[in-house]
Amino acid sequence: LAKTTQPISMDSYEGQEVNITCSHNNIATNDYITWYQQFPSQGPRFIIQGYKTKVTNEVASLFIPADRKSSTLSLPRVSLSDTAVYYCLVGQGGATNKLIFGTGTLLAVQP
Amino acid sequence: GAVVSQHPSWVICKSGTSVKIECRSLDFQATTMFWYRQFPKQSLMLMATSNEGSKATYEQGVEKDKFLINHASLTLSTLTVTSAHPEDSSFYICSARTTSGSYNEQFFGPGTRLTVL
Repeated sequence: LAKTTQPISMDSYEGQEVNITCSHNNIATNDYITWYQQFPSQGPRFIIQGYKTKVTNEVASLFIPADRKSSTLSLPRVSLSDTAVYYCLVGQGGATNKLIFGTGTLLAVQP
Repeated sequence: GAVVSQHPSWVICKSGTSVKIECRSLDFQATTMFWYRQFPKQSLMLMATSNEGSKATYEQGVEKDKFLINHASLTLSTLTVTSAHPEDSSFYICSARTTSGSYNEQFFGPGTRLTVL
């Protein structure tokens, strides 16, 4: 399973755009890139997933360069409620394939 | 999206007792579920993969006799922490994937906070 590297923490202010970059140099051809959000004392929540180029949903955008060795999660106009830990994971799909979590990035949004 | 529940949400027990945690997929069937443990200010650590109708697959370093996993139906997996000790105090989270929908999306339960006195 591909190892991921993310910044340990990031600070931002309300209303700003936040970009969190994840490195995954050993990503395999069949691997997808998935981002999860976790609040304290809660289970992680799916944010977005992509394979290449750009993916956008109602919550975030995911940018993946052509070599797929990194990815960037973009959160537009963050609010205080976006303060959480964000995890980048790479791996294959399928109901039986496990996910290995890295350290994650603690995003602290200030007023 | 799919919902995964856990019961209890928190439990306090005495050292030496056993504690059972249930994980249910409420609106889908899951042949495979996963159990994680998370210590304060740390990431989730995968403990084992629970397989319906067969033995669980444990990650390296996880004692299978200490953490008993039973996946008796397509919607229920249980984790039993046997002879719990204070060092077993942690946040236990289960997850499951659906066979449809997002290719790599995994749905997580709300977690169970275990405190061993």
